[in-house]
Amino acid sequence: DAGVIQSPRHEVTEMGQEVTLRCKPISGHDYLFWYRQTMMRGLELLIYFNNNVPIDDSGMPEDRFSAKMPNASFSTLKIQPSEPRDSAVYFCASSLGLAGGPYQETQYFGPGTRLLVL
Amino acid sequence: AQKVTQAQTEISVVEKEDVTLDCVYETRDTTYYLFWYKQPPSGELVFLIRRNSFDEQNEISGRYSWNFQKSTSSFNFTITASQVVDSAVYFCALSEAQTNAGKSTFGDGTTLTVKP
Repeated sequence: DAGVIQSPRHEVTEMGQEVTLRCKPISGHDYLFWYRQTMMRGLELLIYFNNNVPIDDSGMPEDRFSAKMPNASFSTLKIQPSEPRDSAVYFCASSLGLAGGPYQETQYFGPGTRLLVL
Repeated sequence: AQKVTQAQTEISVVEKEDVTLDCVYETRDTTYYLFWYKQPPSGELVFLIRRNSFDEQNEISGRYSWNFQKSTSSFNFTITASQVVDSAVYFCALSEAQTNAGKSTFGDGTTLTVKP
């Protein structure tokens, strides 16, 4: 069974450009999470979805960031316009359920997208 | 608020040594879950183990073992007879079932270097 798939694996862009990161969760998983990892701040949860609906986006840094999940097998994280401080590794993760719910809440991570904004 | 502390930023050992990675957590929930993830140099995050707050049994998986102690709010990870391939960053994480359901909090990670 395929794990979480992310694309692209690496992205280099110039400040001001739009960046779109893509994620395909594990089939059957109802929850999808977007994280950002930097040396300074570690792993931060940006947003998560349940059944394609955004539940908590309080971790999204600012209006330049937006995330969508048009269907159960696809999500995007968009940054527009991008800035050098957005350079990080962006992870997507999925799980069957949430902690405390009736299903496994273990989050399985994709390989990440390494973003560099020049 | 939930919090995870991994006090050891970096650990360096020689192959075949045993090593313990510490994890201390804070939560007010009575139901919660603890996790360990491994991030090798290639960058992906690999799930290692999940433990719920009602199960304090220690667990062993090959050279890996985990010691969960609610009395000290700790969930420590021991690698026995370490190998070079164990070199990675290890993250401990906490998910509350009630207060912040859905928000996993990760520690800052411990970088383990195993030298041949």
